[in-house]
Amino acid sequence: GENVEQHPSTLSVQEGDSAVIKCTYSDSASNYFPWYKQELGKGPQLIIDIRSNVGEKKDQRIAVTLNKTAKHFSLHITETQPEDSAVYFCAASRPSNTGKLIFGQGTTLQVKP
Amino acid sequence: KAGVTQTPRYLIKTRGQQVTLSCSPISGHRSVSWYQQTPGQGLQFLFEYFSETQRNKGNFPGRFSGRQFSNSRSEMNVSTLELGDSALYLCASSERGTGNINEQFFGPGTRLTVL
Repeated sequence: GENVEQHPSTLSVQEGDSAVIKCTYSDSASNYFPWYKQELGKGPQLIIDIRSNVGEKKDQRIAVTLNKTAKHFSLHITETQPEDSAVYFCAASRPSNTGKLIFGQGTTLQVKP
Repeated sequence: KAGVTQTPRYLIKTRGQQVTLSCSPISGHRSVSWYQQTPGQGLQFLFEYFSETQRNKGNFPGRFSGRQFSNSRSEMNVSTLELGDSALYLCASSERGTGNINEQFFGPGTRLTVL
């Protein structure tokens, strides 16, 4: 069935260091992979996404890579700042289910000043 | 543009009651998806509505239902509430063009507590 595994569940880094969060999906038909950031008391905020015809995408300090063969995708945050502290979720969807996102379990990122 | 709005933000109900949650999508967005978020199960898809029609449904019992109005606003209803229905209910809107993958933008959620 459809499943997304996300690791690690918690991640603590020093301000200025890089953070990497990894996800693996099971449905080979998946072709859309968004990442969300959720702060306390708020809904998830879309921060970056990637489609299956692209291997990497960057937006300032964040980047996402996709390996379709291995069914892995990763979020990279460089030069982390305390305001990056939040819960991050990866997700996947297949073309026929663009309204349905399958989410990973989430990673709590703590950036220590 | 205003973001996705959800009302109410907080709700307390007792077992056996029913509840209706409301979601107003971003202006121009025609698709609304609903998700349940709990510490144990994470974010789980409930259903999606597009042009007043349910287009997709997750693995939830029939007690969970929804609808969409002609202005794209959506409501979800949970009948015969159980303790396990306590969760944050999130809705997300997208443009949902035919054949396109469209980004989903989430509202702040409705925190439902069942006592």
